[in-house]
Amino acid sequence: GQSLEQPSEVTAVEGAIVQINCTYQTSGFYGLSWYQQHDGGAPTFLSYNGLDGLEETGRFSSFLSRSDSYGYLLLQELQMKDSASYFCAVLNSNSGYALNFGKGTSLLVTP
Amino acid sequence: SAVISQKPSRDICQRGTSLTIQCQVDSQVTMMFWYRQQPGQSLTLIATANQGSEATYESGFVIDKFPISRPNLTFSTLTVSNMSPEDSSIYLCSVGTGPKGYTFGSGTRLTVV
Repeated sequence: GQSLEQPSEVTAVEGAIVQINCTYQTSGFYGLSWYQQHDGGAPTFLSYNGLDGLEETGRFSSFLSRSDSYGYLLLQELQMKDSASYFCAVLNSNSGYALNFGKGTSLLVTP
Repeated sequence: SAVISQKPSRDICQRGTSLTIQCQVDSQVTMMFWYRQQPGQSLTLIATANQGSEATYESGFVIDKFPISRPNLTFSTLTVSNMSPEDSSIYLCSVGTGPKGYTFGSGTRLTVV
């Protein structure tokens, strides 16, 4: 089987930096992705790590350590519109390269 | 990334009936996936539907309950059969065109009464 663990809720102030951690146990690990989902919306791609290290895309960065089965999403200069659910997802070669999602982290950005 | 048109966006169905959800993609893609998401919960993979082969179902999901069609590289359907209130959920299709190219349909919100 497989499991992904991430915090259920995080609250941060506008303009701050927040880090959402994700640990995983899985066979067939190919890479780790991060998705954002607003209420009533579809998940949208944020970042992907296939190799160890940091990937930076604007205000969002993601990190992966394959040896530690650990990754994180870093959101900088938080804005109110960043209030959403954030999912880490393992890209799994044993599932036909499907994404297997963690339970999600609900981020609330306050003024 | 591919753009997906999913319909219907929502439906209210009587128990015991079936609903077919359609996903149309604006480009040819090999990998297509179907997920279920309870409100406020994570996405659970139902099956992988690659064109030219039978769908592969995850544990807990069976073909008789969730038959899938994938007639070509731009279209797929998922049918929720013999529905019960426990099937009330959001159903989403997804396609993958590379590790950074996974996109999702807008979802079908199903309520079974």
